[in-house]
Amino acid sequence: RKEVEQDPGPFNVPEGATVAFNCTYSNSASQSFFWYRQDCRKEPKLLMSVYSSGNEDGRFTAQLNRASQYISLLIRDSKLSDSATYLCVVTAPEGGATNKLIFGTGTLLAVQP
Amino acid sequence: DVKVTQSSRYLVKRTGEKVFLECVQDMDHENMFWYRQDPGLGLRLIYFSYDVKMKEKGDIPEGYSVSREKKERFSLILESASTNQTSMYLCATEGREASYEQYFGPGTRLTVT
Repeated sequence: RKEVEQDPGPFNVPEGATVAFNCTYSNSASQSFFWYRQDCRKEPKLLMSVYSSGNEDGRFTAQLNRASQYISLLIRDSKLSDSATYLCVVTAPEGGATNKLIFGTGTLLAVQP
Repeated sequence: DVKVTQSSRYLVKRTGEKVFLECVQDMDHENMFWYRQDPGLGLRLIYFSYDVKMKEKGDIPEGYSVSREKKERFSLILESASTNQTSMYLCATEGREASYEQYFGPGTRLTVT
């Protein structure tokens, strides 16, 4: 079983649609959770952190359900520029001086005009 | 603005060659990472370093080594390149005090023939 699992997509949605991505993680000891965005042929960039209480950043809403080990990302009013791969990321519970991240394989979103 | 640069965007090498991939950052970050990204497998951690001359194995260190002689520079070495090391290689940095935000370089697409 993969440590972080995501539906690879692609999700093809029209502009203005609302789309939701889900992610599950296997290690209940993971403490921190994130969504990264990766444009085609570019490097990943942090989109937002995910907090237990849920958090919103403009059109983006992230939710965490620790009991079900489930993370979600909701995008409202999709724009063409939202087309990208969305990577679900959790921290590896190893402690120490560094912060090891475990990346999902990503969900591809294609917003159509 | 964090800048992470990698020595080459595209590289073609022959089986058995020694390959050096260099990563340089200008943010005075303590932690540096090397990942490879393959379709269907996502980003996998090869090695990381949390200080000069310090290194730790990631999830897939076999066939690779690293060098960190200066804080700003982290090199990945393929001692004898093999075709299964054909991949996208991504370097990332992170400040020790940061909240797990990793900054990635643009990547090196390595092809081993």
